Amino acid sequence: GAVVSQHPSRVICKSGTSVKIECRSLDFQATTMFWYRQFPKQSLMLMATSNEGSKATYEQGVEKDKFLINHASLTLSTLTVTSAHPEDSSFYICSAVLGVETQYFGPGTRLLVL
Amino acid sequence: AQKITQTQPGMFVQEKEAVTLDCTYDTSDQSYGLFWYKQPSSGEMIFLIYQGSYDEQNATEGRYSLNFQKARKSANLVISASQLGDSAMYFCAMRERVGRGTSYGKLTFGQGTILTVHP
Repeated sequence: GAVVSQHPSRVICKSGTSVKIECRSLDFQATTMFWYRQFPKQSLMLMATSNEGSKATYEQGVEKDKFLINHASLTLSTLTVTSAHPEDSSFYICSAVLGVETQYFGPGTRLLVL
Repeated sequence: AQKITQTQPGMFVQEKEAVTLDCTYDTSDQSYGLFWYKQPSSGEMIFLIYQGSYDEQNATEGRYSLNFQKARKSANLVISASQLGDSAMYFCAMRERVGRGTSYGKLTFGQGTILTVHP
């Protein structure tokens, strides 16, 4: 069964609105979670590393003020796309580390900004 | 510099035959881990297999095996007895050690290979 859940699975919003995506680790605590972005037929691009109790670490080129990450608890990390625009439309996927040999991904969120 | 390279954008295989998906990597670390994931059209990333850099045996998980050649820095995925449900995008990824502790660093992904299984 799934060990990482993500909500919502799909969201359509108007340009200028903010969208929050939740990532939860099920039945295990994840001190570190990762947020990725994927365009169609392309690879996963790491956006940021979410650390419980501290600020997220963003990859170069990722706007911190646009993609707000909050790791509120050991089982929940949220990604908020602020003032979304059509170019933010993408597939967002989170992952959590369970152990050295395992890193599980959530089912992903498809964001469409009109 | 590209750390993970998958040179096959697309691969075709006949049902019930074996197929090898190529992956080469580049790292100066001695301790690292290599992963393979399957991504069907639904988008979900399905973990397939893991190989640690210090593992002497090639990893196997059911029909999946990892042909790990450390000196060549390659970690090819072998799928035996292909099934129609194996049609998907496959990603190779590497995790390098962070610092001297046991922190688990981020995964770096290859470009992916689209596998199509023909009946």
